[in-house]
Formats: sequence, structure tokens, C-alpha cells
Amino acid sequence: GAGVSQSPSNKVTEKGKDVELRCDPISGHTALYWYRQRLGQGLEFLIYFQGNSAPDKSGLPSDRFSAERTGESVSTLTIQRTQQEDSAVYLCASSLGGLRSPNYGYTFGSGTRLTVV
Amino acid sequence: GDSVTQMEGPVTLSEEAFLTINCTYTATGYPSLFWYVQYPGEGLQLLLKATKADDKGSNKGFEATYRKETTSFHLEKGSVQVSDSAVYFCALSPSNTGKLIFGQGTTLQVKP
Repeated sequence: GAGVSQSPSNKVTEKGKDVELRCDPISGHTALYWYRQRLGQGLEFLIYFQGNSAPDKSGLPSDRFSAERTGESVSTLTIQRTQQEDSAVYLCASSLGGLRSPNYGYTFGSGTRLTVV
Repeated sequence: GDSVTQMEGPVTLSEEAFLTINCTYTATGYPSLFWYVQYPGEGLQLLLKATKADDKGSNKGFEATYRKETTSFHLEKGSVQVSDSAVYFCALSPSNTGKLIFGQGTTLQVKP
């Protein structure tokens, strides 16, 4: 597609429920990233995919968070048993791949705003 | 670990004023450095980058020079416009890691 597409754009969920966030990267971009942006804070790295594998998942905050990518395309970030501190904007970005992929520039989606009540 | 520190905002300027947003970093090796911008209601987009020491990145009248001796990558613009109002993020990519580390972001508000 023309850009990185994320869905839903907004999600309100009850504490303890599971949520799935979806990211459709730009076609041909083999690198895909998930970041979290809490209110008034910077972007916090969560996980990085190169193709369908995740060489760096060091930013996932707990085992309630997981992500997968299939077909070198769509990625899903799943948060189990959501907590109020999970409330944030979750951003996805894609880039041409490889270890120097940031030098090509990331293209970001508009994000999913998650609110846990 | 590697990190980026930006000046706190918000920064409020009048139109045509000179802009500086400070950014310093901590990193081992030779990272690449970036400025990203987020306009109201839009996603983050790359503004400029520099991949080695003494490189100057520039775009849309903005400039930043990669200073290894002071570990800095300050963003400057000679004459800001109302349309430059946005949140600006400094970021670094550690050598051969494939990821970006962002600063906290600095909000710029330009008044007519």
C-alpha cells in the first residue's frame, strides 16, 4: 500500500481483557518495528522484525506482550490481561531491511490509541 | 546503554524567529543520527539525518550537524513559520542494530 496502515485507530478495553493491534507495512519493506508512546513521553522501542523473525524483542515490557509477523507483511501485537499502565499510543513503522535499515528512514503509521479502563 | 536527551519543551517562538532544539546522545561506536517530526494529527516522518561525524543533514530549511566531539545533533532553522509547529524527535541508530532510539520529543509552537 501507499503507507503504513494500523488498525484499529482507537481501542478502549476493560482491564484484564486481551487486545490485538494490527499493522500493515509498506509493500516490500522487510523491516517492521513496534513502538509505544505514553502520554507526554518519547517513543519506547518494543520489538523489531526482519522478515518474519524478530532479532530484537528486548523492549517488550512483560510476557503479557507478544508479536508475530507472517508472510513478511502483516504484524499483530497482542497484549494479554491488559493493565491500565498499558494505555498508550502503539506505533508501527516499516523500512527497507537489514541492519542499516534506519538509514533508509522509517515510515510510521498513525498509531493505535489504546485506553484500558 | 545508548540514549538520546532533548531539551524540554514546549518551545514557543514568533514567526521568523531563529530556532534551536538541543539534542545530545550517548552511544558506543558510530551511530547514525536523525530528526523526526510529528505534525498535528499526522504520523512521524523523517526530517533529516546524518550518518557520520561532521555530516550536516538538511531539509525544509532545517539543519543539524553531527558533532562527535560534543555528542550533539542540534536542530536549527533560521526563520520559523507557523506551519513548523509540531513535535520534534531526535533519534539515534546504534551501529548495525537495525533499530532507532528516540528522545522524549520537543513541542514547538510558532505564533504569527
